[in-house]
Amino acid sequence: NAGVTQTPKFRILKIGQSMTLQCTQDMNHNYMYWYRQDPGMGLKLIYYSVGAGITDKGEVPNGYNVSRSTTEDFPLRLELAAPSQTSVYFCASSYRDKETQYFGPGTRLLVL
Amino acid sequence: EDKVVQSPLSLVVHEGDTVTLNCSYEVTNFRSLLWYKQEKKAPTFLFMLTSSGIEKKSGRLSSILDKKELFSILNITATQTGDSAVYLCAVEATSYGKLTFGQGTILTVHP
Repeated sequence: NAGVTQTPKFRILKIGQSMTLQCTQDMNHNYMYWYRQDPGMGLKLIYYSVGAGITDKGEVPNGYNVSRSTTEDFPLRLELAAPSQTSVYFCASSYRDKETQYFGPGTRLLVL
Repeated sequence: EDKVVQSPLSLVVHEGDTVTLNCSYEVTNFRSLLWYKQEKKAPTFLFMLTSSGIEKKSGRLSSILDKKELFSILNITATQTGDSAVYLCAVEATSYGKLTFGQGTILTVHP
């Protein structure tokens, strides 16, 4: 079991560029989440999904998009990168509501 | 808007000391409170608390929830340098497992 994997580990983007952060889990979890963590701050929820084909906005969704075509994958898309999106991004998954979330190792993104 | 506040924001102690980390929350439809330890990368799960007054323990770590006062504490006894980390408190307050995180407490344990 690899758990939750994220790629890339680190990326530098120029303002206005686009990219997709990949997240895959092999635990057959229904729920998946994307968080961002700014320096010295807690995690903020960007988007979440309760199953394939179902996604919903979290606390800070502006500037991001997601899709969930399979149970395993939950990519996060940045269309027009802005310096305010410089952060560490964590993907997480859980089997059901009220169960522990398991986190990926994170992707550090720098937008210059 | 759901809110989770942790205190202190940072704490420096020496090995062997006991520390208490605080987490207060204001949420609607509370379901559970979780504690995570974050060292360098992803947070790792410590405890999930759903009922008031029931202490959860794991080795030198323990935690308890007070639903009336909307408060939880995380205790670490006989601290070690390996306990140095950011401790995150999160509250689940919707039916979809969404978590609202506090800003974290940075714990530094000196030898």
